[in-house]
Amino acid sequence: EDKVVQSPLSLVVHEGDTVTLNCSYEVTNFRSLLWYKQEKKAPTFLFMLTSSGIEKKSGRLSSILDKKELFSILNITATQTGDSAVYLCAVGYMDSNYQLIWGAGTKLIIKP
Amino acid sequence: DTEVTQTPKHLVMGMTNKKSLKCEQHMGHRAMYWYKQKAKKPPELMFVYSYEKLSINESVPSRFSPECPNSSLLNLHLHALQPEDSALYLCASSRGTGIGNTIYFGEGSWLTVV
Repeated sequence: EDKVVQSPLSLVVHEGDTVTLNCSYEVTNFRSLLWYKQEKKAPTFLFMLTSSGIEKKSGRLSSILDKKELFSILNITATQTGDSAVYLCAVGYMDSNYQLIWGAGTKLIIKP
Repeated sequence: DTEVTQTPKHLVMGMTNKKSLKCEQHMGHRAMYWYKQKAKKPPELMFVYSYEKLSINESVPSRFSPECPNSSLLNLHLHALQPEDSALYLCASSRGTGIGNTIYFGEGSWLTVV
């Protein structure tokens, strides 16, 4: 059965810390892996990863995919209270043009 | 700010009511989606429209009825809902098929069924 597992499920750190969120997957016919940030409303797109070893970067956030070991990490450096959110990982697969398999999310809390 | 807009942002309805959720995007995307999200759970796919035709219905009860009047609009008609249908309903869109198929979400409509 295809699945996406995120860890940790929740994380509390202090402002300024660096965090690493993990997403591992077992999906046949992998196509892409997406990271989203969800605060109180809709998920906001962060990154889409399709190739192994190529880091995607946006400000203090970066992500990389390892297709051999079947995981991705999302790094956030110099965290701020505004980074507090649930971070969702989703995997798209070749058999479906539209279907995503979602992880349960990591709830990140940044304390001042 | 998301380029997928949803209305209303909040809706409270009785179990005998008929209401509709509306979604609009002007990014030229040809695939549009309805997701349902319960608290502390990831989004669950309900329907997919591709080029204005329903392509996926994930075994959703008939009390939810989607409609795609044109390539920019997507509605979700609600009738005789149950309290357990209370959730955040997310509309999303993507350019279409292919490997660059990133899904962009609207801000959602919070639905409470009483």
